[in-house]
Amino acid sequence: GAVVSQHPSRVICKSGTSVKIECRSLDFQATTMFWYRQFPKQSLMLMATSNEGSKATYEQGVEKDKFLINHASLTLSTLTVTSAHPEDSSFYICSATDPSGRAAGTDTQYFGPGTRLTVL
Amino acid sequence: QKEVEQDPGPLSVPEGAIVSLNCTYSNSAFQYFMWYRQYSRKGPELLMYTYSSGNKEDGRFTAQVDKSSKYISLFIRDSQPSDSATYLCAPGGATNKLIFGTGTLLAVQP
Repeated sequence: GAVVSQHPSRVICKSGTSVKIECRSLDFQATTMFWYRQFPKQSLMLMATSNEGSKATYEQGVEKDKFLINHASLTLSTLTVTSAHPEDSSFYICSATDPSGRAAGTDTQYFGPGTRLTVL
Repeated sequence: QKEVEQDPGPLSVPEGAIVSLNCTYSNSAFQYFMWYRQYSRKGPELLMYTYSSGNKEDGRFTAQVDKSSKYISLFIRDSQPSDSATYLCAPGGATNKLIFGTGTLLAVQP
């Protein structure tokens, strides 16, 4: 099956620093990757949609200058949280779509294991 | 009104029980309906998907969609302790975006 990895799995940083999270599709080429944020006991909230070679599309209320997304290749997307603050502490999860695994008329989203960010 | 409503639980059942997990949605444009399972501190994994009203069965799992009432369900037969997780419904439309419910936390007691 399609495998998506994320690195790091956990990061603790000081307020004001920047943190980069990588999302990789290991055995397929992902035309689209999504970035989500999940607070404890809450749903996954879509932050942005990332297409290889083009600018990411951010959801309403998500600051694009704070959450920088780069999708340089068909297997790698990165999310950089710039000048992180304690309120940015959350579980960040990426997903990648595998066009060959088309389900129900849409590209199936496969999720990474998530990155837990703690900002002190 | 949220686009997707899901009872957060927790739902506790004995091993072997039949579990019913439900979601309602408000957007009639949703075309397909995913169910994901998420273990604690892990990413969601796709369990099942449907795109039409009716039932779809896969092993111990049955997904049911009623588009007329905007109601989707996931049934788990012969539940096992390993089924203990959060179950997320996620309908989607033409944009490939998924809208997730809050998830229902299920605990299957041995």
